Amino acid sequence: EAQVTQNPRYLITVTGKKLTVTCSQNMNHEYMSWYRQDPGLGLRQIYYSMNVEVTDKGDVPEGYKVSRKEKRNFPLILESPSPNQTSLYFCASSPWAGTKNTEAFFGQGTRLTVV
Amino acid sequence: KQEVTQIPAALSVPEGENLVLNCSFTDSAIYNLQWFRQDPGKGLTSLLLIQSSQREQTSGRLNASLDKSSGRSTLYIAASQPGDSATYLCAVSSSGYSTLTFGKGTMLLVSP
Repeated sequence: EAQVTQNPRYLITVTGKKLTVTCSQNMNHEYMSWYRQDPGLGLRQIYYSMNVEVTDKGDVPEGYKVSRKEKRNFPLILESPSPNQTSLYFCASSPWAGTKNTEAFFGQGTRLTVV
Repeated sequence: KQEVTQIPAALSVPEGENLVLNCSFTDSAIYNLQWFRQDPGKGLTSLLLIQSSQREQTSGRLNASLDKSSGRSTLYIAASQPGDSATYLCAVSSSGYSTLTFGKGTMLLVSP
């Protein structure tokens, strides 16, 4: 089954404690990205990756890091989480953005609370 | 910068009604437009994908249309059911942008 898998689904952490949210896709997609969703602001892109070892900032990258060492995995790293990073996070993947058949697939989300 | 607007922000209808959700975008140079469904606190489920060269797509009781030149798309839901209650999101993939641009969604409530 084609899917994007995020872990964990729920996470409560304290300010400053480094954490990683994992994302894995089994569709051999080149393009992967991270979004955060906040009430009234909708979905905003944090980082994206067009292929292995190729990453770039989205609209709201401050406070986040990513890496793309393998095609299937795209972890999101919060080196020093702060309460304003409390949000619902989504990982997505799709074939290369330059093609026409770029249907995006989303993970189930990670609800992060930073206290 | 691409901007996507969805109207209305919320909609409440009785079961059985046909309804239309609207999506507009500012830059017509798009690759495709995708409609998603999101249940509260859950992930996004892709409903329909319309390529820029297409006018509409259908899946069951759902029909999505695209008018690229005017920057509009509609999602038509026939014979609505309580199980259709969710937030519906419209997103465009645009030439020159490496991201999907989302609208803020329409929250739909279908009452029995």
